[in-house]
Amino acid sequence: QVQLQQSGAELVRPGTSVKISCKASGYTFTNYWLGWVKQRPGHGLEWIGDIYPGGVYTNYNEKFRGKATLTADTSSSTAYMQLSSLTSEDSAVYFCARRYYRYDRGTWFAYWGQGTLVTVSA
Amino acid sequence: DIQMTQTTSSLSASLGDRVTISCSASQGISNYLNWYQQKPDGTVKLLIYYTSSLHSGVPSRFSGSGSGTDYSLTISNLEPEDVATYYCQQYSKLPPTFGGGTKLEIK
Repeated sequence: QVQLQQSGAELVRPGTSVKISCKASGYTFTNYWLGWVKQRPGHGLEWIGDIYPGGVYTNYNEKFRGKATLTADTSSSTAYMQLSSLTSEDSAVYFCARRYYRYDRGTWFAYWGQGTLVTVSA
Repeated sequence: DIQMTQTTSSLSASLGDRVTISCSASQGISNYLNWYQQKPDGTVKLLIYYTSSLHSGVPSRFSGSGSGTDYSLTISNLEPEDVATYYCQQYSKLPPTFGGGTKLEIK
């Protein structure tokens, strides 16, 4: 079965960077886009961007361009998101989610990781 | 960006009830509307894609409908495990955007 296992919670200092991971199993990692979503209380869910590990293509929400960098390691079936120049606004739960597209049904996030809590605090 | 609005932020219903959760888009989204369930432990699951298509493994008491800018998720015969927050999401145009969520509780 499809599983997305994310790395554990992070407590990081303002101004630094953090890199969180999402290890995929149960499917061919290089065949599907993998997206990242931010969740903050009072701010709902926000799409950060996604990556296609098979060709290392990426799409970014303009709001997160320069803040998030998406990469993937096909040898370990793991996707990564690095967040830079962290502020309190970056404190949130971050989810990875496998995207699925059908020409006649559109696009959706079929499977989600369990989420990674990032807390930015001095 | 397309704005998704779920006007009901929370609702309470009794076991066995039929519940409808609404979602509206700031412009037409051509049925590219998905619904997700987030349980109290944070786990997120896809329920419905393309307005009314049921994702694999999702109970048939969940259904979706709508068109244009207005969409809804219906849960018939409410069960205890349906306690969760429900989010709509459009994928008609980039960036995909989510509604603010509707938290469902049992009376």
